[in-house]
Parts: sequence; structure tokens; C-alpha cells
Amino acid sequence: GDSVTQMEGPVTLSEEAFLTINCTYTATGYPSLFWYVQYPGEGLQLLLKATKADDKGSNKGFEATYRKETTSFHLEKGSVQVSDSAVYFCAHGSSNTGKLIFGQGTTLQVKP
Amino acid sequence: DTGVSQDPRHKITKRGQNVTFRCDPISEHNRLYWYRQTLGQGPEFLTYFQNEAQLEKSRLLSDRFSAERPKGSFSTLEIQRTEQGDSAMYLCASSLDVEVAQHFGDGTRLSIL
Repeated sequence: GDSVTQMEGPVTLSEEAFLTINCTYTATGYPSLFWYVQYPGEGLQLLLKATKADDKGSNKGFEATYRKETTSFHLEKGSVQVSDSAVYFCAHGSSNTGKLIFGQGTTLQVKP
Repeated sequence: DTGVSQDPRHKITKRGQNVTFRCDPISEHNRLYWYRQTLGQGPEFLTYFQNEAQLEKSRLLSDRFSAERPKGSFSTLEIQRTEQGDSAMYLCASSLDVEVAQHFGDGTRLSIL
């Protein structure tokens, strides 16, 4: 069945370090891919998205490229800040219904 | 854009009681989704509406669960005869079309005593 797998956390980095959070998916059809972020005490917020193969989503210095050949959508940021500490969720969305299938989430802790 | 609103934010109830949650989507959004999130996990799809029609229900949605969206505006999710395993965060999301990203509310946290 359809699924999303993320790298396990927590991921702990020093400020200004490079971030990669791996995400792979299995899906029927051609789903859209998303990264959502959940800051402490807050709801899920859309971080970025890509709707077709080779699309790159970007926002707030974060990037992810829709790789159909490897069924991946890895999240990257060149220089993390303490304020990026949060839980990051990778998800794919059905092209028919729009329903989202989420990964289990990856906690990022950035230390000054 | 006032965002997706959910009420209450937190509900504590005894096992066996019925509970009802409300979701008010962004006003022009025609699609509304319900998800459930347990601690340390990603949200899991429960059901969704396009306007007032409920188009899909997950197998997670047992017959104790019912959702409605009268007039295609706000939605309610009711759980009858609550069980310990129902303790979770219930999230509501809305979108304008299937290709547009969903906006999430802050959720209703259900705690079963």
C-alpha cells in the first residue's frame, strides 16, 4: 500500500550546520509531495511542496526535489538556525482525493 | 484568511462517553479532511468531504465514529462510547481543490480517563 518513510530522529545539529532529512515513498499514480513542519505547541504548517517529477519546492531556505526514479523527496537546508527546531513531516497526496499519507516525523534539534 | 479553526482545543472525558469536535475550514475551501495523530506518529487519514458529500472513509473510522458536514461549511466529528485507544490529537484540514495544499487547524486533543 501507499506509504512514506522518513529517517528516524532526533536529529541534533549545531547552528549553521547542513541539514538533510531523508524521505522515500511508495504510491500509485503520480502524487504530489509535501513537507510539513510542526513547531512546539503549534499546528502543522506547510513548508514546501512539489507536484511533479523533477520539481523543486523551496521555502525559508529549505529545499526538496521530487525524484521519481528514486521515489524520494529529501529535505535540505544549507545552514540551520535554532528557530528551525521542530518536527518535520514528509507526505504524499493522492492526485484523486487529495488525502495525505504522512511519514512518522523527524525531530530536529538545533543547538546554538 | 482566518485559518482553520477547531473546537475544543482539549477534551477530557471518561471512557464510554460520547464526544463531538467541530472544525471550521477556511471559508472558500470546498474540501475538508479529518486526521488522527498519536504521540510520536504522523497524522493518519480518517475521512474527507467535498462540499457536503463524504467521499471516503478510512478503515480506521469504526462504526463508533461519524462525521458530518452539513451545508458544506463546518464539520463535526463524533465519537460514541469512547475507548482508551481513542486518545489522540484530531486534526482538521481544508483545501480549495485536490491539487492545492491543505491548511491544518491546531487540533483537538482527546484524553480518555
